[in-house]
Amino acid sequence: EVQLVESGGGLVKPGGSLRLSCAASGFTFGSYSMNWVRQAPGKGLEWVSSTSTSGAYTHYAESVKGRFTISRDNAKNSLYLQMNSLRAEDTAMYYCARDFSWGISDYWGQGTLVTVSS
Amino acid sequence: NFMLTQPHSVSESPGKTVTISCTRSSGSIASAYVQWFQQRPGHSPTTVIYEDNQRPSGVPDRFSGSFDSSSNSASLTISGLKTEDEADYYCQSYDSSNRVFGGGTKLTVL
Repeated sequence: EVQLVESGGGLVKPGGSLRLSCAASGFTFGSYSMNWVRQAPGKGLEWVSSTSTSGAYTHYAESVKGRFTISRDNAKNSLYLQMNSLRAEDTAMYYCARDFSWGISDYWGQGTLVTVSS
Repeated sequence: NFMLTQPHSVSESPGKTVTISCTRSSGSIASAYVQWFQQRPGHSPTTVIYEDNQRPSGVPDRFSGSFDSSSNSASLTISGLKTEDEADYYCQSYDSSNRVFGGGTKLTVL
């Protein structure tokens, strides 16, 4: 059974940093591109970042470019999102999602909540 | 970057059929597959349609997807509506370096 379990969310002050993790199981992690998608409270889904199977290729939404870094450790079956210079507008539930083909997500985790507030 | 526009909300009665549209702002709707996700309150999104019209295993055939090049739109159709179909629905597509979600449509089954 495919499982994606996010962790690392919490309350952080504006300008602070946080590192999210996504632990994958039930599939060959290194064979799939992966993504982070977020959802602000009461709002819609917003794509944040994607990484290729090896991690060699990464892409970011304009809203997070230069502040967030996506990475992965295929030996540990884990996906990460390093978030720096956090802003109030980054407050959201952050989901990791697996692509079964580039651009096409099939499985989602349960999410981890990030709150940026003083 | 392109945008995907969905109606904010739709409502229909149980047993009826509803269609949710997703219009691409620039570039051809046929240039990349469209996916549809269902999100019930308090839950993560789940895939109901991928690659324009494919259903994952476990999704009932009451759910179907299509696209129309003339209107540059994709559509999700749900027939035989059930109260359990009440949820938010999001379309999504992509290009070589971005992926885009529609704003979401709240489906009310009343």
